[in-house]
Amino acid sequence: DAKTTQPTSMDCAEGRAANLPCNHSTISGNEYVYWYRQIHSQGPQYIIHGLKNNETNEMASLIITEDRKSSTLILPHATLRDTAVYYCIVRVAPSNQGGKLIFGQGTELSVKP
Amino acid sequence: DGGITQSPKYLFRKEGQNVTLSCEQNLNHDAMYWYRQDPGQGLRLIYYSQIVNDFQKGDIAEGYSVSREKKESFPLTVTSAQKNPTAFYLCATDDATSKEQYFGPGTRLTVT
Repeated sequence: DAKTTQPTSMDCAEGRAANLPCNHSTISGNEYVYWYRQIHSQGPQYIIHGLKNNETNEMASLIITEDRKSSTLILPHATLRDTAVYYCIVRVAPSNQGGKLIFGQGTELSVKP
Repeated sequence: DGGITQSPKYLFRKEGQNVTLSCEQNLNHDAMYWYRQDPGQGLRLIYYSQIVNDFQKGDIAEGYSVSREKKESFPLTVTSAQKNPTAFYLCATDDATSKEQYFGPGTRLTVT
């Protein structure tokens, strides 16, 4: 599985968009980009995933560059409850070969009033 | 948390004792995983199972054992051979259709 690089921490003002970058320059053609977040002492929460097209759901948008070497998670209107550690992960889709997640350090996002 | 139950939320044990952490799911997912998280760190894979009666070692399997006798259950035993067992333990399942991985609420194990 490819490795990812994320900034250690970021701040965002409440109500503004939070843009979290991720570099995955060694991503393979069959690997997806996943984003999870973890609030202190809880299990990680799935946010969104994509292969090569941009994706949007009720929580966030995922922008993947054309060469797939980097991506950005966008929380359009950050709230205080979005304060968490955000993990960018690349992995193959679940299959008979397994689909384990490899977690790095993540980005600690602090949303401030 | 979806349909994944981990119990108990907090667990305390004396050094030298084996302890079994429970993970139950009602999502009908085939694949299940155990991760360990240490303070300020990301998650590390201990064991995973893709189908009943089959499981594979992850990156840090030493000192741990698992079983998968039922699709719904994937218990993890932390043995006395695990040098630093105090950690936050997370169980997860894979939805092969949606490609999402769901996590349980976790068990915080403290060994003294």
